[in-house]
Amino acid sequence: GAVVSQHPSRVICKSGTSVKIECRSLDFQATTMFWYRQFPKQSLMLMATSNEGSKATYEQGVEKDKFLINHASLTLSTLTVTSAHPEDSSFYICSARTMGLDYNEQFFGPGTRLTVL
Amino acid sequence: GDSVTQMEGPVTLSEEAFLTINCTYTATGYPSLFWYVQYPGEGLQLLLKATKADDKGSNKGFEATYRKETTSFHLEKGSVQVSDSAVYFCALTETSGSRLTFGEGTQLTVNP
Repeated sequence: GAVVSQHPSRVICKSGTSVKIECRSLDFQATTMFWYRQFPKQSLMLMATSNEGSKATYEQGVEKDKFLINHASLTLSTLTVTSAHPEDSSFYICSARTMGLDYNEQFFGPGTRLTVL
Repeated sequence: GDSVTQMEGPVTLSEEAFLTINCTYTATGYPSLFWYVQYPGEGLQLLLKATKADDKGSNKGFEATYRKETTSFHLEKGSVQVSDSAVYFCALTETSGSRLTFGEGTQLTVNP
């Protein structure tokens, strides 16, 4: 149980285009989803927290107009990188949490490698 | 604020060697503590966790004990395998179920 998927796993796009990444909880309802960014050989940086049906809460320094997050259902959250530039190239990882017995545990997706040319 | 400090890597060991990766934390409340593992090109997988002082988390031969007096959660394994090569992250979350705070990660390479 507690499986989180991400799609696509890899994406290459041209500078100036927008890219959408999906994060799905496959066998549980995710009341909260988190989006992280990871640079090579570095730790995960939390970008934003989204609760189903509410606006996402962005971490300081993260541009909300550039990284659009939608959490329209209890099983799906999307991250759209708008007008992507090469510096947006990174590994994006989502995680999901449910209102269960172990509220503290987050389940992570496999990540999406974004390369902007 | 909360913080997690891991021993610096990378760590290189021979197969069957003993592993210790140190982790200490700073938190205002009573956090839950986690170790996550990330294999190359993949997301994070929960390796083990402990939710209160003196709890021992264990999985796949790895162990870590929640030490409140030393604010530590060191990861240990008695005999590592090549397949254990990965990046290991120590993390905490406060009991309110808020955000995860990660350490810097420690790259482990196990040679045959």
